[in-house]
This record gives sequence, structure tokens and C-alpha cells, in this order.
Amino acid sequence: DTGVSQDPRHKITKRGQNVTFRCDPISEHNRLYWYRQTLGQGPEFLTYFQNEAQLEKSRLLSDRFSAERPKGSFSTLEIQRTEQGDSAMYLCASSLEWYEQYFGPGTRLTVT
Amino acid sequence: AQTVTQSQPEMSVQEAETVTLSCTYDTSESDYYLFWYKQPPSRQMILVIRQEAYKQQNATENRFSVNFQKAAKSFSLKISDSQLGDAAMYFCAYRSHGGATNKLIFGTGTLLAVQP
Repeated sequence: DTGVSQDPRHKITKRGQNVTFRCDPISEHNRLYWYRQTLGQGPEFLTYFQNEAQLEKSRLLSDRFSAERPKGSFSTLEIQRTEQGDSAMYLCASSLEWYEQYFGPGTRLTVT
Repeated sequence: AQTVTQSQPEMSVQEAETVTLSCTYDTSESDYYLFWYKQPPSRQMILVIRQEAYKQQNATENRFSVNFQKAAKSFSLKISDSQLGDAAMYFCAYRSHGGATNKLIFGTGTLLAVQP
């Protein structure tokens, strides 16, 4: 069990560029979550997958955001036309059904 | 909608002493889960303790225990015999029971400093 991994750990991009983050959940976990954490705040839910199906998206997830989980394994989160307000830590978590969510180390995005 | 409030942005405790972190929440649901998560600096979030709302007995995990007051919608975390490794950001979180997503709803966190 290697835990939840995320790549990259840090990303600096210029406003207007597209970025993509990857999350690899714990292998037997069928549920995967994305959260966003800004400075001084707790994580906020973005979206959720059960296997390959995206079952819920937060209103925080604007049209510039898209997430996928092909084949129910790893997941990607893409942000198009990044804005300075997108600067945050993006956290991925996975769980086996409704059991405990295990978090990854996060990807810190800085938009300049 | 459910909300979680942590009114203590920062707390400090002496090593070996006891500290209590506060959390209140708002919900109209009768069945749910409450959690305390620990986020050390530059490290990933880990679960400290979990409480099921239907259980009257307060959860305990070694030096960590909670005071769950369902009627008051209060859920505090007590850390006994504080250690330097306890220094971290602590988040209180809520999760519906039987909800479609079991997403977590977090408070804003309490930064705990442990003084040697």
C-alpha cells in the first residue's frame, strides 16, 4: 500500500495557460475525491468519482475545470485558461466505499 | 446545507500538557459522522479520530479524545500529554451518513503550536 500519490507536487503557471494534475489512488479504492484548499481555509469539495463515473460536481467547479477517471484508476484534473484565483492546493483523496478517506500530499498551484 | 465552524484560528500548548480544540457544526440531519484531521506542515492530511452521531459514547484514540454534544452540535478534540509531533493544523469535518457522495465538509482549521 503506497498511499495516494499526486503529481506534480508544485506547479507554477502563467495566467491563461492550461494545467493538468494527476492523482493515483490507493489501488483497491473505488471512490476518488478532489478538494481545493486556499490559504487559511479548510479543503472544499470539488468533485467525486465512483469507479469511472463522475457522480457529483461542486458549484466551485467552473466550466474551466474538468476531471476524468478513465477505467476507474487514476484521475486527472485539468484547469483551462488559469486565473490568479485558481492558485491553491489541490488535494486528492480516495476511499473504499464509504470508509475513511485517505489524502494525497496535494499539488500546489501558483498562477502568476 | 451543513456548515462547520472552528472559532480558534491558533492555539498553543506546553509539551506534556492538555489542550482542547473547539468545533461546532450545523445540520438538520440526524445521522452523520464527525472527524478530526491533522495536517502537519508540508505533509498530507491524516485522520485523527472519528465519531458516529448515533453513538453516545465519546470516541478515544490513545492520547486523543472527543467531547461530542449532539444537542449542542459541538465536537471538541482533547489532546492529552501533548508532544512536539502534535504541532499541526487541525481540521474538524462533517460527513452525512448514507449520502450519495460522502464528501467531507471542513472547518477553517486551528493551528496548534506545541512549546517545549
